[in-house]
Amino acid sequence: GAGVSQTPSNKVTEKGKYVELRCDPISGHTALYWYRQSLGQGPEFLIYFQGTGAADDSGLPNDRFFAVRPEGSVSTLKIQRTERGDSAVYLCASSPSNNSPLHFGNGTRLTVT
Amino acid sequence: SQQGEEDPQALSIQEGENATMNCSYKTSINNLQWYRQNSGRGLVHLILIRSNEREKHSGRLRVTLDTSKKSSSLLITASRAADTASYFCATDASGTYKYIFGTGTRLKVLA
Repeated sequence: GAGVSQTPSNKVTEKGKYVELRCDPISGHTALYWYRQSLGQGPEFLIYFQGTGAADDSGLPNDRFFAVRPEGSVSTLKIQRTERGDSAVYLCASSPSNNSPLHFGNGTRLTVT
Repeated sequence: SQQGEEDPQALSIQEGENATMNCSYKTSINNLQWYRQNSGRGLVHLILIRSNEREKHSGRLRVTLDTSKKSSSLLITASRAADTASYFCATDASGTYKYIFGTGTRLKVLA
């Protein structure tokens, strides 16, 4: 079946611009996670949804970052006033339930120039 | 700070040899998971071991968990060049289901 889909696969934007990154989880998966990963580092937790609500958003670095999942399926990560330090690969994962493996998408590579 | 830390950071072995990677974590957990990543993009799940389990096998992979030492190990037997990748452990502090990844072990298997 279809896996986790992330769009776009690559995004180049100028410093100060607004970007939206989209994640389509596997159908029926209730849990959805966002991570970001810099070169040579492990994935850094950003936010975790259970259904429509953010169960834990403690990893969002500041108020320029916001994520939504209005219908409990597709999620959008929104970054305002992008900075060069936001450049990274943003990974999305979904899971059918707690205590289950995470299924990752291929990520969106964000480059802020 | 990272919940899990892997060691070694990098490992280079010959094809056919076994590779062992270790993961240490800080708090009690529900489960611990191991993932593989090629080319810095999506991660692939390998094994999930629950806090009440001590050992699990999947093909050439063997994972152990020692909750008293807050550590886990991943053993890949009879390694192949295709096993070359980064390997990460992920843990959740009990009751949170918020999975935190370690810094990873970069494995290179030489043909």
